Amino acid sequence: KAGVTQTPRYLIKTRGQQVTLSCSPISGHRSVSWYQQTPGQGLQFLFEYFSETQRNKGNFPGRFSGRQFSNSRSEMNVSTLELGDSALYLCASSLGLAGGPEELFFGEGSRLTVL
Amino acid sequence: AQSVTQLDSQVPVFEEAPVELRCNYSSSVSVYLFWYVQYPNQGLQLLLKYLSGSTLVKGINGFEAEFNKSQTSFHLRKPSVHISDTAEYFCAVSDLGSARQLTFGSGTQLTVLP
Repeated sequence: KAGVTQTPRYLIKTRGQQVTLSCSPISGHRSVSWYQQTPGQGLQFLFEYFSETQRNKGNFPGRFSGRQFSNSRSEMNVSTLELGDSALYLCASSLGLAGGPEELFFGEGSRLTVL
Repeated sequence: AQSVTQLDSQVPVFEEAPVELRCNYSSSVSVYLFWYVQYPNQGLQLLLKYLSGSTLVKGINGFEAEFNKSQTSFHLRKPSVHISDTAEYFCAVSDLGSARQLTFGSGTQLTVLP
């Protein structure tokens, strides 16, 4: 079956602009999580969405936001971009079952460069 | 709050040699433990996970890891590596209540030399 699809794969923005990244989870998966990967800070959890509701949120400023649609596709938005927002943004999907852990299936990421 | 420390940022090893990638964690609550692998320009792939039970966990591609509660460690091992194992490896933890909110270590770049 198709994996997690993230678009766009690469993009370049300038400071002050905003960006929207998209993630299509594996069919049947209802949970989508977002992570930021940078050389300095490593992999950091941004937020998780399940059934169109944010279920968990990491320690990022309000400029970072997301949403999930009824078909489980998710978008994340970063407003007023800063140079430090340059990163690989990874989306991961899972079934979203309550209780124990699940395997997260990661997309290939969207690489954002802020100039 | 949890934290994960991967003690080696880079590990070079010759092909067919054994390798151990070290991971220590800190948490005030019970956790789940994971190892993920990231190949260049790709996302992360789960190698193995520890939830409970046997402390020796076997994963894909011949990797295994041992959970040591007293030393709060979860080291990854492979008895004989291949060139194709060259990648970055991440250790991660999550607490029982936030299973999809992973805290990752800084990663270990494994380079297998011919």
